[in-house]
Amino acid sequence: DAKTTQPTSMDCAEGRAANLPCNHSTISGNEYVYWYRQIHSQGPQYIIHGLKNNETNEMASLIITEDRKSSTLILPHATLRDTAVYYCIVNSYGGSQGNLIFGKGTKLSVKP
Amino acid sequence: DGGITQSPKYLFRKEGQNVTLSCEQNLNHDAMYWYRQDPGQGLRLIYYSQIVNDFQKGDIAEGYSVSREKKESFPLTVTSAQKNPTAFYLCASGLPRERVNTEAFFGQGTRLTVV
Repeated sequence: DAKTTQPTSMDCAEGRAANLPCNHSTISGNEYVYWYRQIHSQGPQYIIHGLKNNETNEMASLIITEDRKSSTLILPHATLRDTAVYYCIVNSYGGSQGNLIFGKGTKLSVKP
Repeated sequence: DGGITQSPKYLFRKEGQNVTLSCEQNLNHDAMYWYRQDPGQGLRLIYYSQIVNDFQKGDIAEGYSVSREKKESFPLTVTSAQKNPTAFYLCASGLPRERVNTEAFFGQGTRLTVV
C-alpha cells in the first residue's frame, strides 16, 4: 500500500497557484518526499523532492511541515499543460527508486 | 539525447502468446524497473534490476519474466501465464540504492492489448 494519502482530484484556474496536499504521517527519518506527475498516456515525470527543508526548482515548490507528516506541492502559476495526475511518494534514503510505491495520486484539472 | 526508450508504443497480441516489451536507456543508469498501470490506477512494480545479470521480483511478478544481459537493456516478457495482460507498461531507470537523492526517469510506455 502507498505510504501517502492525497485528494482524488482538484481544480485550479489557469494562472493561479495550484496547491496539492499530501499526508505521509508514517514517514520515517530517512525517507524523502518525492513528487512526480503523469500526463495522460505518458510516463511519469519527476518534479521535485525534499527531506525536511522546503525546496524550489523551475517547476514547483515543495513545502514540508516541521513534523514532516505532510507536504504541499505548489505550482505557482498553473497552465493548461499542468493538467495531470500528481503523485506524492516517500522513499528511503539509500532506498531504490524502483521501489517507489505509487498511489492513485491527485488528478489536477487546470481550467481556463 | 540521453533518455529511456520503450518500444513499441502500441502492441496487440492474441491470447496465449508470449510478447516481449523493449526498454533501452543511454543514461548509464545501473538500475532499471518495470511497472504496470491499469486504467485509473497507480503504478505497480513488476520487476527491477539494480545491476547487470541480477533482478528482483516486485509486487506483481507472476506471469512476467525479465533479463538484464546489458546495462542498457531490460526487456520484459509477458507470458501466457499472465491472466490479465492488457495494460499500460512503463519502464524506468535510475541510479542504484547506494546513490541517494536522485530521481527516476520513465519511458513513454507501451500499451499492450491482448485479444
